[in-house]
Amino acid sequence: GQNIDQPTEMTATEGAIVQINCTYQTSGFNGLFWYQQHAGEAPTFLSYNVLDGLEEKGRFSSFLSRSKGYSYLLLKELQMKDSASYLCAVKWRRDDKIIFGKGTRLHILP
Amino acid sequence: ETGVTQSPTHLIKTRGQQVTLRCSSQSGHNTVSWYQQALGQGPQFIFQYYREEENGRGNFPPRFSGLQFPNYSSELNVNALELDDSALYLCASSWGTSGGLEETQYFGPGTRLLVL
Repeated sequence: GQNIDQPTEMTATEGAIVQINCTYQTSGFNGLFWYQQHAGEAPTFLSYNVLDGLEEKGRFSSFLSRSKGYSYLLLKELQMKDSASYLCAVKWRRDDKIIFGKGTRLHILP
Repeated sequence: ETGVTQSPTHLIKTRGQQVTLRCSSQSGHNTVSWYQQALGQGPQFIFQYYREEENGRGNFPPRFSGLQFPNYSSELNVNALELDDSALYLCASSWGTSGGLEETQYFGPGTRLLVL
């Protein structure tokens, strides 16, 4: 199947760093997206990885290892507004679908 | 603001009824995907339309159908509503289906459907 696994919930402290992991089936992989979704709102695009390595964008970075079927989203200098769900989504070559994981709910404590 | 709009924002229906949800894609985008998101879950892919043709479908029954118009706006129709259809329905627009960063989907605000 096209399973995507992420932790259900994580908690971190304001100002700290948090890493949210995502694992997926490697066969037919064709790109990985991270989205942020605040409660009651639509997902908003954060990052895209298709090659191995780290993509940095301000306080957020995303890493991909295609051989391991593994990605992480790194959030630095956490702010209260970063409290949200973070969705990992993978595109598969076989059927062009983009499949989302269940999301990781991140709670930021003051 | 992504430039993707959806209507209505909220809707209440009863079991057995039919519903039509609408989506206007971002300017320049020719692909629209529809997702169903239950509370506490990630979005589940329903189907995608590319240049007015269905271009992939998830594990949803035929009573979920759609259309894409020449201006690339789209409709999602659900017949014979069931209680489990209560969810947030999201549409997302993108440019093309060939993969790559242009594949990035931009989501509308969603339609929250409640089936009683």
